[in-house]
Amino acid sequence: TQLLEQSPQFLSIQEGENLTVYCNSSSVFSSLQWYRQEPGEGPVLLVTVVTGGEVKKLKRLTFQFGDARKDSSLHITAAQPGDTGLYLCGRGGSNYKLTFGKGTLLTVNP
Amino acid sequence: DAGVTQSPTHLIKTRGQQVTLRCSPKSGHDTVSWYQQALGQGPQFIFQYYEEEERQRGNFPDRFSGHQFPNYSSELNVNALLLGDSALYLCASSLGPGGPQHFGDGTRLSIL
Repeated sequence: TQLLEQSPQFLSIQEGENLTVYCNSSSVFSSLQWYRQEPGEGPVLLVTVVTGGEVKKLKRLTFQFGDARKDSSLHITAAQPGDTGLYLCGRGGSNYKLTFGKGTLLTVNP
Repeated sequence: DAGVTQSPTHLIKTRGQQVTLRCSPKSGHDTVSWYQQALGQGPQFIFQYYEEEERQRGNFPDRFSGHQFPNYSSELNVNALLLGDSALYLCASSLGPGGPQHFGDGTRLSIL
């Protein structure tokens, strides 16, 4: 059972466009991690957010954690083909195991 | 600095067989977690090993078992394989059970 909802499930855009993907839960996160997974590879950690309202930037990627710590968004500015991949949010719990959403599969066309 | 390594990369088995997958953690890490990722899904937590003991377990049957060795490497064993066990099996290591997890590239298991 997936406790995290990610939207959209699929997204196909042209190079240079901006996009936002979302991660939502009905319960509070103690922490949330965003990963990118490319075909044939394991997920790679992009960022961890722990404080409600927190905003982190990683080059063209901006991560926001909702004030109530139940939701998060990832915004990509001027997307490039190298941004193509499966974007996963993972919820950390007090027992340390990560619970993942189904992910957003992003395709950036040249 | 070697990252997380998993072997084999691909494996084909038939129903009813048993399989063992292996994971070497990133240098300096002492905790290993295993995940199952079915096609089109996010990874599902199987279990976590720390100090050679299973510390946490997800919603997986007893057919799934594991082991951690003194050098922190780990094995995942699956008995009585079912068609539904076909998936990408990911290993992640961390420094301590709560540390950021670093994933290997997985073992693709196909059951015929």
